[in-house]
Amino acid sequence: ILNVEQSPQSLHVQEGDSTNFTCSFPSSNFYALHWYRWETAKSPEALFVMTLNGDEKKKGRISATLNTKEGYSYLYIKGSQPEDSATYLCAPPRAGSYQLTFGKGTKLSVIP
Amino acid sequence: ETGVTQSPTHLIKTRGQQVTLRCSSQSGHNTVSWYQQALGQGPQFIFQYYREEENGRGNFPPRFSGLQFPNYSSELNVNALELDDSALYLCASRQVYRGKSDGYTFGSGTRLTVV
Repeated sequence: ILNVEQSPQSLHVQEGDSTNFTCSFPSSNFYALHWYRWETAKSPEALFVMTLNGDEKKKGRISATLNTKEGYSYLYIKGSQPEDSATYLCAPPRAGSYQLTFGKGTKLSVIP
Repeated sequence: ETGVTQSPTHLIKTRGQQVTLRCSSQSGHNTVSWYQQALGQGPQFIFQYYREEENGRGNFPPRFSGLQFPNYSSELNVNALELDDSALYLCASRQVYRGKSDGYTFGSGTRLTVV
């Protein structure tokens, strides 16, 4: 069973602040890493699928980096807005399969 | 059809009963997975179907079963319901081509309560 850790568990920031959180995963047999944003009462939304060590992806004010050798990924949000309030989940697939192993997520609350 | 739709959105069942949850995948997506999210946990993989065949299963007992149909719809069946089966059940689909794929498209889930 893959052990996927996300930190912090929850986070409160003021509107306009930049923030970041961490996803840790086993570095052996790495295949890919997915990031999802999940707003309350909605569907989880795919943000990034990252595969290469050193990968950096960006979508608007959200970006992510990947270090497969040490087994972590950072998600950054620049200038947080209330609409960024959501739970952010990371999930590496098991090597050789498409089964995603999710962390418990980081719940972000942006205070106007 | 774009997006993934799940039905029903909420369901209450009695322990020992059977339940069928339904999912309509995004058009063209040949792979569908089901996940269970218990309170305070991340989603847990139940199983995956590719072209109507199960091709991956998580740590769930055989009373959890599924079907995938040619019209991109699928079902999750749970027999002999237990109280611990109370959870949010998510369906997710994607297109796998030549072993490559983008992220999953998720539905908004079915909230199952077993009493």
